[in-house]
Amino acid sequence: EPEVTQTPSHQVTQMGQEVILRCVPISNHLYFYWYRQILGQKVEFLVSFYNNEISEKSEIFDDQFSVERPDGSNFTLKIRSTKLEDSAMYFCASSGTENTNTQYFGPGTRLTVL
Amino acid sequence: GENVEQHPSTLSVQEGDSAVIKCTYSDSASNYFPWYKQELGKRPQLIIDIRSNVGEKKDQRIAVTLNKTAKHFSLHITETQPEDSAVYFCAASDGGGGKLIFGQGTELSVKP
Repeated sequence: EPEVTQTPSHQVTQMGQEVILRCVPISNHLYFYWYRQILGQKVEFLVSFYNNEISEKSEIFDDQFSVERPDGSNFTLKIRSTKLEDSAMYFCASSGTENTNTQYFGPGTRLTVL
Repeated sequence: GENVEQHPSTLSVQEGDSAVIKCTYSDSASNYFPWYKQELGKRPQLIIDIRSNVGEKKDQRIAVTLNKTAKHFSLHITETQPEDSAVYFCAASDGGGGKLIFGQGTELSVKP
């Protein structure tokens, strides 16, 4: 069964550094999402992406964040200048054409900002 | 915007008992309500979902009920097993590729 994949599984960075989190959505899916989960808290929506543009973003997704689909398979989340409070688990998700509702989550990237 | 409240935050049951987790939502435009199970350090896994044109859905030991008028939906797990122990999240969406808004999660512990 196809799955969403994410790399790296764990990223440690210094405050102020740029990070890029990578995702490979399920191959025939058209809707892509990033969510984050601070340790012990609920999953929070960051951004959704469809037809090569952002379709919706949350208040968390400020101008320090950006997303890109650089080719036909990857979907990336960039944080330009990381802050301590960006430390969280970041999940990528995708949903398909036949059922646009059902979102499948990747294994996550744990981002630690020191 | 949409807000989803989930209760209880923790739930402990004996193996074989039933467990019920409840969620309420605020936006009447929401029409899709999935439930995810998250084991420690792992991805959220969809276990069951329901759309607003259906009042109840069942899959083996798991069922979900939806009351659109009251804007609440519930997860029911019967004959619980230790492997059901995890954090369960409800979510709501207005569908069509829209974002999921999650509840706060319920940590379910099933004691053998």
